[in-house]
Amino acid sequence: LAKTTQPISMDSYEGQEVNITCSHNNIATNDYITWYQQFPSQGPRFIIQGYKTKVTNEVASLFIPADRKSSTLSLPRVSLSDTAVYYCLVVATGGFKTIFGAGTRLFVKA
Amino acid sequence: DTAVSQTPKYLVTQMGNDKSIKCEQNLGHDTMYWYKQDSKKFLKIMFSYNNKELIINETVPNRFSPKSPDKAHLNLHINSLELGDSAVYFCASSQGDRGWDSPLHFGNGTRLTVT
Repeated sequence: LAKTTQPISMDSYEGQEVNITCSHNNIATNDYITWYQQFPSQGPRFIIQGYKTKVTNEVASLFIPADRKSSTLSLPRVSLSDTAVYYCLVVATGGFKTIFGAGTRLFVKA
Repeated sequence: DTAVSQTPKYLVTQMGNDKSIKCEQNLGHDTMYWYKQDSKKFLKIMFSYNNKELIINETVPNRFSPKSPDKAHLNLHINSLELGDSAVYFCASSQGDRGWDSPLHFGNGTRLTVT
């Protein structure tokens, strides 16, 4: 299973765009990149997933370069309610074992 | 219309006791999981069941015994509780047979405190 590395914490201000980069140097051909968000006292919540290039949904965008050794979660115009822990995961196709890393603690300030 | 629900939300007990945490999902998913989140916030998978069959059993003490009476339920029973068992336990589910196209849906956790 590919190991992921992401910053421990980040600070931002309301209205700014936040980019969180995750490294996964030994990602396998069949692996997908998935991001989860966790608020205090809640379970993680799926945000976005992608294989290559760019994926966008109503919450975030995910940028994946051609070599797939890293990925960047982009949160447009964050608000105070985006303060949470963001987990980058590499998930194997057909795999049941989703492994979480330490995550990035994002603090959004007014 | 809660998707994954677990009870109780808080559980305070003494060392040596036996306790259970219940989990139910109404998403029609085939696979259910138990994760443990320690004080440092690391989430570690403990068990996974697919269609009531155990498919993942990480290095968890055998004091922990999951039980899946049907696809919608996965309960966790813990014998002889120890101080180190204090953590938040999360239940999750996914449509397991679709692999990548199957994000996890988590419950809101059970905070277990062993005194």
